[in-house]
Amino acid sequence: AQSVTQLGSHVSVSEGALVLLRCNYSSSVPPYLFWYVQYPNQGLQLLLKYTSAATLVKGINGFEAEFKKSETSFHLTKPSAHMRDAAEYFCAVSGRPNFGNEKLTFGTGTRLTIIP
Amino acid sequence: GAGVSQSPSNKVTEKGKDVELRCDPISGHTALYWYRQSLGQGLEFLIYFQGNSAPDKSGLPSDRFSAERTGGSVSTLTIQRTQQEDSAVYLCASSNGVGQGLAKNIQYFGAGTRLSVL
Repeated sequence: AQSVTQLGSHVSVSEGALVLLRCNYSSSVPPYLFWYVQYPNQGLQLLLKYTSAATLVKGINGFEAEFKKSETSFHLTKPSAHMRDAAEYFCAVSGRPNFGNEKLTFGTGTRLTIIP
Repeated sequence: GAGVSQSPSNKVTEKGKDVELRCDPISGHTALYWYRQSLGQGLEFLIYFQGNSAPDKSGLPSDRFSAERTGGSVSTLTIQRTQQEDSAVYLCASSNGVGQGLAKNIQYFGAGTRLSVL
């Protein structure tokens, strides 16, 4: 069984400040981990993914995430927030494709607000 | 097509009616997924198709829900005798499946169908 917990349903940061969105996972098999972003009235867009290569993963729009097995965490960060980063962010986990369990299990999401 | 296409974008129906939601995946993608996004339940997996394998229906909430994928491409999600709790955004995603290229298991999402049951 797999699950994801996102701490903080709402996060507000000032423009230019550090963005930190927290995600902890639980998985009985080696996980694949993902961060998706959803802008209003749009589908989900992949920001980045971890698939057992480098533990520090860089994604689009200046975001990155670090896989920490000891902490079962995959927190999303960005050094300097922009107004366009305002959106809802979802952390997700899946099993490795070779095990046939590719479906995503999502966290409850974190709504990021940027304060001008 | 260039991305995953879903239709209609919005659907309003009366309680008890049947609805069909359509998904056109990215051309060549062998895997197709349906998810549901609702205020109460967040994002939930519904059903998964991979090539010619039997679909994984483990996420379907009741026997009123069914889905098919014809010719390994277009998929239709059918909800029979709709209830108010079925109101949600239904998202479709596709991926290029297991063991195919560098982008394996990246799911690309459509914009969704917003279903409102009155």
